Amino acid sequence: SYVLTQPPSVSVAPGKTARITCGGSNIVRKSVHWYQQKPGQAPVLVVCDDSDRPSGIPERFSGSNSGNTATLAISRVEAGDEADYYCQVWDSSSDQVVFGGGTKLTVL
Amino acid sequence: EVQLVESGGGLGQPGGSLRLSCAVSGFTFSSYAMSWVRQAPGKGLEWVSSMSASGETSYYADSVKGRFIISRDNSKNTLYLQMNSLGAEDTAVYSCAKDRDPFGVVYMDVWGKGTTVTVSS
Repeated sequence: SYVLTQPPSVSVAPGKTARITCGGSNIVRKSVHWYQQKPGQAPVLVVCDDSDRPSGIPERFSGSNSGNTATLAISRVEAGDEADYYCQVWDSSSDQVVFGGGTKLTVL
Repeated sequence: EVQLVESGGGLGQPGGSLRLSCAVSGFTFSSYAMSWVRQAPGKGLEWVSSMSASGETSYYADSVKGRFIISRDNSKNTLYLQMNSLGAEDTAVYSCAKDRDPFGVVYMDVWGKGTTVTVSS
């Protein structure tokens, strides 16, 4: 089955850019979606279809997908961005949804 | 306002069954695929199952295939998850989520808050 690999944690200073990676075999051939989950809250979609932003998501959130790695970038990081972030794809070979293991973003 | 409200969680016996429900409002339920996603305590998101808008097609994670059954009643705007042969590994918060697409699973753009399932004797 398809596997998505994320770093367990990423730390960034306020005002800087955080980059969270999501690795998968030839992931460029898939559409990658990203969710933000704050403690005790439901996940929120922040990037869809590799690089699109749903309505209401700040422009500071952006996505890219190339080769074997998709990346979620958060520019001008704020304390309120501290959360767990998950990437997700649909694996058509197994007809299953796949989530990455999640990355905890810490704002220093 | 779009709302997804899960219910039916609680304490389940090992080997027993539970049925979860997800009541939705604020959008045309019959036009979208729906999914169940769970999160064990302190762990990440784990997809469980999805169903197309019409109910004709369903998909399952390997971990629940043959034990869980997803269904929907479009006349009642409700999604269900029948959970059988429960094990400790099924202990988690179960959330329902709306998909962008009617036919299959693309991404989940609205989520419920979840209902807690604890499997223990």
